[in-house]
Amino acid sequence: ETGVTQSPTHLIKTRGQQVTLRCSSQSGHNTVSWYQQALGQGPQFIFQYYREEENGRGNFPPRFSGLQFPNYSSELNVNALELDDSALYLCASSLAQTGTVRVMGTEAFFGQGTRLTVV
Amino acid sequence: KQEVTQIPAALSVPEGENLVLNCSFTDSAIYNLQWFRQDPGKGLTSLLLIQSSQREQTSGRLNASLDKSSGRSTLYIAASQPGDSATYLCAVKIQGAQKLVFGQGTRLTINP
Repeated sequence: ETGVTQSPTHLIKTRGQQVTLRCSSQSGHNTVSWYQQALGQGPQFIFQYYREEENGRGNFPPRFSGLQFPNYSSELNVNALELDDSALYLCASSLAQTGTVRVMGTEAFFGQGTRLTVV
Repeated sequence: KQEVTQIPAALSVPEGENLVLNCSFTDSAIYNLQWFRQDPGKGLTSLLLIQSSQREQTSGRLNASLDKSSGRSTLYIAASQPGDSATYLCAVKIQGAQKLVFGQGTRLTINP
């Protein structure tokens, strides 16, 4: 068990709807990253949050947005869902090294993921 | 652009064999490399983390090596067991960016 929890575990949505996925980071971790994993592929980086601010973003459109809260938990929001958004969404928490402007990060610990199906 | 490749894509071996999984990356400017295990439909379990200044890490029957100059890492699994069956992913943390870049994984099956 990594201590990173994600909810819900499974979700079915209709094309065009909006969805919110949640992640509770491991105790003591201050950085949360989100990844999308399509079937048979490696995870792709969506974005990272550090101290409640976005700290890096992958090649995903603006309809993918996020939040990090003071307790370092995080949400991933996806608007105007498309069929291709169907995937396993993974949250990873880590402890950023202090004193750095750009967050380096250490070992990343992943949650069990949320399986999103868009129909 | 950093690219990570894992070979082979799938591997099936009898129980008890020692085996090696390969990972290569195109840009040697990395902070670290991490090996993960993923069971079907599940999240990622971290197996080993190798910092860029290190050459190898060991945990139980697992040993991971890193040759940054050649852009290669290997995961060695000794005395394989059916419970080792899973997909194994390697990922590099690249300098100047906040993300892990993953390979597509090696799907490992250990036959009893």
